[in-house]
Amino acid sequence: SQKIEQNSEALNIQEGKTATLTCNYTNYSPAYLQWYRQDPGRGPVFLLLIRENEKEKRKERLKVTFDTTLKQSLFHITASQPADSATYLCALALQAAGNKLTFGGGTRVLVKP
Amino acid sequence: DTGVSQNPRHKITKRGQNVTFRCDPISEHNRLYWYRQTLGQGPEFLTYFQNEAQLEKSRLLSDRFSAERPKGSFSTLEIQRTEQGDSAMYLCASSSPRGNSYNEQFFGPGTRLTVL
Repeated sequence: SQKIEQNSEALNIQEGKTATLTCNYTNYSPAYLQWYRQDPGRGPVFLLLIRENEKEKRKERLKVTFDTTLKQSLFHITASQPADSATYLCALALQAAGNKLTFGGGTRVLVKP
Repeated sequence: DTGVSQNPRHKITKRGQNVTFRCDPISEHNRLYWYRQTLGQGPEFLTYFQNEAQLEKSRLLSDRFSAERPKGSFSTLEIQRTEQGDSAMYLCASSSPRGNSYNEQFFGPGTRLTVL
C-alpha cells in the first residue's frame, strides 16, 4: 500500500540553526511533491512545490530536495526563527488523479529563542 | 478577504444528528477539494469537484457523507446520522489551473466537528 512517512517526533531547534525535515514515501510515483505549513487550529498553507524532474527548489530561507530514487524529500529551514514554529506537512500528488493530495502525518517544529 | 472560507468554524452535535458544512472557494478557482483531519494526523482526501462535477470520492466517504457543488461555486458537505468517529476537522481547499496543471491548493480554516 502507499505510504508517506514524516518524523512524528517534534523537532526542537535553537534559533538561527537549520531545521531539516524528512518525507519518505513508498509504492508511489508522484508527479510532484508539496510542502505545507500548518498552525494550530488553521488550515495548511502552501510553501513549496517540487516536480519529479527537479532536484532542488528554494524560496527565501526554505529549501526542498527531491530524490525519486530514494523516494525521499528533505525540507530545510535555514536561519530558523521562533515564528517558524509550526507543523510542516509533506504531500504528494498524481496529476492523473486530479491532483488530489496525499499527506504525511506532519512534523512539528519548535524553534527556541 | 478573498481566501477560502468555511462555515461554521465549530460544530458540536449529538450522535445520530445530521450536520452540513459550507465552503466558499476563491472565486475564480474551478477545483474544490474536501479533506478530513484528525488530531496529530495529516489531512485525508475525501472528494473533489471540477466546477459542479464531483470527479472522485474516497472510500473514506461512506454513504452517510454527501457533497455537492450545485453551481460550481460554493460546496456543502453533509454528514447524516453522525457517529463519534466523525469528530475531526473538515478542511476545504480550492485551486485553479496554471497551464494544464493544478498545483498549490488554498485551504480554508476548517470546520471542527465534535460528535458527543
